[in-house]
Amino acid sequence: QSALTQPASVSGSPGQSITISCTGTSSNVGAYNFVSWYQHHPGKAPKLMIYDVSKRPSGVSNRFSGSKSGNTASLTISGLQAEDEADYYCSSYTGSSTLWVFGGGTKLTVL
Amino acid sequence: QITLKESGPTLVKPTQTLTLTCTFSGFSLSTSGVAVGWIRQPPGKALEWLALIYWDDDKRYSPSLKSRLTITKDTSKNQVVLTVTNMDPVDTATYYCAHHWGGTYYFDYWGQGTLVTVSS
Repeated sequence: QSALTQPASVSGSPGQSITISCTGTSSNVGAYNFVSWYQHHPGKAPKLMIYDVSKRPSGVSNRFSGSKSGNTASLTISGLQAEDEADYYCSSYTGSSTLWVFGGGTKLTVL
Repeated sequence: QITLKESGPTLVKPTQTLTLTCTFSGFSLSTSGVAVGWIRQPPGKALEWLALIYWDDDKRYSPSLKSRLTITKDTSKNQVVLTVTNMDPVDTATYYCAHHWGGTYYFDYWGQGTLVTVSS
């Protein structure tokens, strides 16, 4: 199972929307609706933002949404805020002995 | 409130064994369904899942590292320990532990991570 592919960086202005893609294969992202997204501010613990492709944990802003089409999952952040500036990682359950694969991370810059 | 914190050496020499401890609060590893996992991230690279231990002592390992990994738990101390044998510079990474509920497919709480450098 290879790592999932994410863009290295994305940027947007406050109030705008951005989308981060996460491309896997038919063995992970395409096979299961078990994609999750994590927000990571350097030096802090990663935070679960989306699970099971599009579900939000309690307390996560509804500005964060997730979707999937084929082997590619996406995280959309609407109404960008300065506090959204962070690294974002996707992950997929694989159903194999390598239980999870992760992406390389996307650095979001709020201009 | 669930919290996890990783601890261990920041520097190890090649061929040495790394021992990392995850100390947690807000849950018990004796509760049915609970698990703790380890994930690492080499500098500039993707996160990599390493190992998982369930409340019933069921253990899962990344196939690529299985021969070098051991995960154990001490329920009385609320700790999970990961050992990695025969460390190499490519094992330089930030190591995270995280909480997982069996039957779900994500890690819902993570520690801040600990950077381990492998160098002579």
